[in-house]
Amino acid sequence: GDSVTQMEGPVTLSEEAFLTINCTYTATGYPSLFWYVQYPGEGLQLLLKATKADDKGSNKGFEATYRKETTSFHLEKGSVQVSDSAVYFCALSGFNKFYFGSGTKLNVKP
Amino acid sequence: DAGITQSPRHKVTETGTPVTLRCHQTENHRYMYWYRQDPGHGLRLIHYSYGVKDTDKGEVSDGYSVSRSKTEDFLLTLESATSSQTSVYFCAISESPPGRVGSGANVLTFGAGSRLTVL
Repeated sequence: GDSVTQMEGPVTLSEEAFLTINCTYTATGYPSLFWYVQYPGEGLQLLLKATKADDKGSNKGFEATYRKETTSFHLEKGSVQVSDSAVYFCALSGFNKFYFGSGTKLNVKP
Repeated sequence: DAGITQSPRHKVTETGTPVTLRCHQTENHRYMYWYRQDPGHGLRLIHYSYGVKDTDKGEVSDGYSVSRSKTEDFLLTLESATSSQTSVYFCAISESPPGRVGSGANVLTFGAGSRLTVL
């Protein structure tokens, strides 16, 4: 069946460091892929999405490219800020449901 | 998110009592979902709805029921709350169902969550 696997956290970085959070997926067909972000005490918010192979989603300095050949959708940011501290979820829209990774907590230190 | 309102945001109750959580949307989206979020389990789907009076079970539906009598409201009921149902509950909506390829209208929009503690 469909599934999403993302790297476990927490990930701790200093401000202005480069961020990568790995996400790989298993799916039949051609799913849409998403990154959601959850700030403390809040619901998940869509960060970016990609709907087909080779699409690059981007928002707020974050990027992820839909790689069908490696079944990956890694999240990257060139220079993180303290305000980026949150939990990040990779997700896919499968045949009949949404699938979420377990979440990766990011801590950014000043 | 202003398009989705969950109530109550926090509730403490005792084992065996009934509890109803409400999700209200102003986006006129057809699809609505209830998830629970627990440490170590991520997000798990409880029930979902694909239209008024049309609902179906998710992966952890035991002990929960839902109702949707209007497009904008989706109610989650715990008939007799247990301590294992202590969790944060999230409502979500989408314009189209999962698997619909194309415009990305199958994006999920989440509410702020309802924290339930069952003593």
